[in-house]
Amino acid sequence: DAGVIQSPRHEVTEMGQEVTLRCKPISGHNSLFWYRQTMMRGLELLIYFNNNVPIDDSGMPEDRFSAKMPNASFSTLKIQPSEPRDSAVYFCASSHNRGGNQPQHFGDGTRLSIL
Amino acid sequence: RKEVEQDPGPFNVPEGATVAFNCTYSNSASQSFFWYRQDCRKEPKLLMSVYSSGNEDGRFTAQLNRASQYISLLIRDSKLSDSATYLCVVTPNQAGTALIFGKGTTLSVSS
Repeated sequence: DAGVIQSPRHEVTEMGQEVTLRCKPISGHNSLFWYRQTMMRGLELLIYFNNNVPIDDSGMPEDRFSAKMPNASFSTLKIQPSEPRDSAVYFCASSHNRGGNQPQHFGDGTRLSIL
Repeated sequence: RKEVEQDPGPFNVPEGATVAFNCTYSNSASQSFFWYRQDCRKEPKLLMSVYSSGNEDGRFTAQLNRASQYISLLIRDSKLSDSATYLCVVTPNQAGTALIFGKGTTLSVSS
């Protein structure tokens, strides 16, 4: 079975450029989560969706960050304009939402470097 | 106080050793608990859920102490392949609520 698929795996770009990260959750999972991981701050939740609807975006650092989930099989996280401090590994995860907490399954992550 | 706290380590142990990690959480309403494992430059993966009565999966034993708000993970007969970062994870019992991760405890098992 295919797991969570993220693209690109690596992204290196100059500050000020727009960055778009993509995620395809596991089929049948109706909760999707975007995390950011750095050495200093560990894994931080940015935003999550239930049934394609954003539920909690309090972790989104600034207005430069936006996320969408146009359908059950696709989500994007966009940074515009990007800054060096956005450099991190960005993970997408998905899970079932069927009462109680279900374990989350993570994608391989996108390693983002902003120069 | 941080929501989930772990000793970052590293814990350096020889093969065959028994090692234990603790994790404390601040939200007494937290209902679900997990241990995830993360290898270097890889994604976190679920190691095991933690149940109120404690649970075991092979060489791994997880326990929960609600009164003291801590979770533990015991690894017996450590293997080289156990070297990784172990993330303590808690969440309120609300469907679809995101997980709150500790920063992890690094384990290095040597031969």
